[in-house]
Amino acid sequence: DARVTQTPRHKVTEMGQEVTMRCQPILGHNTVFWYRQTMMQGLELLAYFRNRAPLDDSGMPKDRFSAEMPDATLATLKIQPSEPRDSAVYFCASGPAYLTEAFFGQGTRLTVV
Amino acid sequence: AQKITQTQPGMFVQEKEAVTLDCTYDTSDQSYGLFWYKQPSSGEMIFLIYQGSYDEQNATEGRYSLNFQKARKSANLVISASQLGDSAMYFCAMRGHGSSNTGKLIFGQGTTLQVKP
Repeated sequence: DARVTQTPRHKVTEMGQEVTMRCQPILGHNTVFWYRQTMMQGLELLAYFRNRAPLDDSGMPKDRFSAEMPDATLATLKIQPSEPRDSAVYFCASGPAYLTEAFFGQGTRLTVV
Repeated sequence: AQKITQTQPGMFVQEKEAVTLDCTYDTSDQSYGLFWYKQPSSGEMIFLIYQGSYDEQNATEGRYSLNFQKARKSANLVISASQLGDSAMYFCAMRGHGSSNTGKLIFGQGTTLQVKP
């Protein structure tokens, strides 16, 4: 049963700490997205990759957020330093080249106190 | 710029009846795709259905169908024979493929659907 796997599922951290979220896309999918979901802003696209290359990260605060794909089976989203306003659910999604479907992981619920 | 608009923040439907969730979009791309997702209270995002801009027939997946009206730039989701388990938030999304977009997938604000027994 192919699925997108995100870790951790939940993270509570103190303001100023580094947070790393990981995503394993579905095998064979070459497009990966990172989203942030909050009640106020809805689903915001933070960054996305095709064939491991970043295509658009304009939705991401550059001073504290970074996204990478070290290899085809791993995408990471880092926040350093974290702030309370970063509290949200972070989703990773992956899809095939022609993107006729895109599947989401279960999300990482981040709480920064 | 691309934009997805869902104008219905919340909707009610009686169990076993059909319901239409509205979605309009704006894009200058000739080639694009439209998606619908379901997000139940558990929080997961479930892919429901996809429609390509060049597809001549409306997409269907079980009880879900997408009413695609290209000239009106609308891509409404129709759920037939509603079930209590259909109560959830529903998101419309679009990915473009042209000079204004490199394939990113953007979402509307969502519509909350409640199915009444």
